[in-house]
Amino acid sequence: GNSVTQMEGPVTLSEEAFLTINCTYTATGYPSPFWYVQYPGEGLQLLLKATKADDKGSNKGFEATYRKETTSFHLEKGSVQVSDSAVYFCALGGGFKTIFGAGTRLFVKA
Amino acid sequence: DTGVSQNPRHKITKRGQNVTFRCDPISEHNRLYWYRQTLGQGPEFLTYFQNEAQLEKSRLLSDRFSAERPKGSFSTLEIQRTEQGDSAMYLCASSGGLADRADTQYFGPGTRLTVL
Repeated sequence: GNSVTQMEGPVTLSEEAFLTINCTYTATGYPSPFWYVQYPGEGLQLLLKATKADDKGSNKGFEATYRKETTSFHLEKGSVQVSDSAVYFCALGGGFKTIFGAGTRLFVKA
Repeated sequence: DTGVSQNPRHKITKRGQNVTFRCDPISEHNRLYWYRQTLGQGPEFLTYFQNEAQLEKSRLLSDRFSAERPKGSFSTLEIQRTEQGDSAMYLCASSGGLADRADTQYFGPGTRLTVL
């Protein structure tokens, strides 16, 4: 079945640092990759998504490009803020259920 | 539209008791999903409805778990004879926007269950 592997955390960065969280997957068919974010005490929020190969999803300064050749959907942000501290989940959807990675906790220090 | 809502937000119960959670999806969405999330893990799929029909159930959903969506709108998830291992966050999501090729799932805030 489909599976998602993402970078283990926690990741600790200083404000304005560059962020990369790696995500790779194995899948059959034509899945759609997503990134969700979970802020402390809150539910999952959709951060960005892609629907076809080479699509770039972007939102709130975060970007991820759907690379079919490397089966990856790495999350990047050029300059993180303290308010970006959260848990980030890479996910694979497009069928009746979404498969989630284990999550990567990000701490951003002022 | 206010998004997906879930009630209650928190539930504390004693082992052996029954509990029921409710999920109200985004109104125009015809698909509804239940997930379970334990500490430090990503959500795990439990079950899926398209309108009122329950089309898929995970092996995680033991006989003590039952979910319904009687009129194709809100859904309930019941756990009978709760066990301490049932303690988790129970998440509901919905999808089905007409223009959404990726069938994006939108999540509610979750119900945190603690079984003592």
